[in-house]
Amino acid sequence: EDQVTQSPEALRLQEGESSSLNCSYTVSGLRGLFWYRQDPGKGPEFLFTLYSAGEEKEKERLKATLTKKESFLHITAPKPEDSATYLCAVQETKGGGADGLTFGKGTHLIIQP
Amino acid sequence: NAGVTQTPKFRILKIGQSMTLQCTQDMNHNYMYWYRQDPGMGLKLIYYSVGAGITDKGEVPNGYNVSRSTTEDFPLRLELAAPSQTSVYFCASKSPGTGGGYTFGSGTRLTVV
Repeated sequence: EDQVTQSPEALRLQEGESSSLNCSYTVSGLRGLFWYRQDPGKGPEFLFTLYSAGEEKEKERLKATLTKKESFLHITAPKPEDSATYLCAVQETKGGGADGLTFGKGTHLIIQP
Repeated sequence: NAGVTQTPKFRILKIGQSMTLQCTQDMNHNYMYWYRQDPGMGLKLIYYSVGAGITDKGEVPNGYNVSRSTTEDFPLRLELAAPSQTSVYFCASKSPGTGGGYTFGSGTRLTVV
């Protein structure tokens, strides 16, 4: 069973059409939940870290929120340059691996002009 | 700052050949990681290091070896390449602690034929 599940796998929106991406997790103890953006042919780029339920963080058109079982990445009035794959990852309290992360499979977001 | 630099960007290997994927970071980060990314799958941790001279296995270490002789460099060695090692490999680094995310390199796309 996957520890980190992202949905939907792919999402196509019109420019300006707001929506949300979901990341559900099933770890026993959460140290942190991370959101990354990945453009084709590039490495993931760090966006946010969330640590506790109720926490929110914003950056331009993106806002990340966290509950005890899931996180949402809200995209408000997106632009074509927001098109990318968005990755969610968790870090467990009991995990070793020197802050190693467990990643979801990502949501491929396309914003059409 | 260059961040995390990976070479080569692309490589085709024949079954049974060996190669080393290079990774260098100039941020004086203690923690470094190697991940592989397969189509439709989340990033999987291969090996990690918490500092020079210290390395440990991640989730999928079989068929790989690493070394960490300096803070800056963390090469990944493939011995006896197999088709199952066809993937995109990402090196990443971070400072210790729960805050902040990884800095990723741009990746090496490896094909084993």
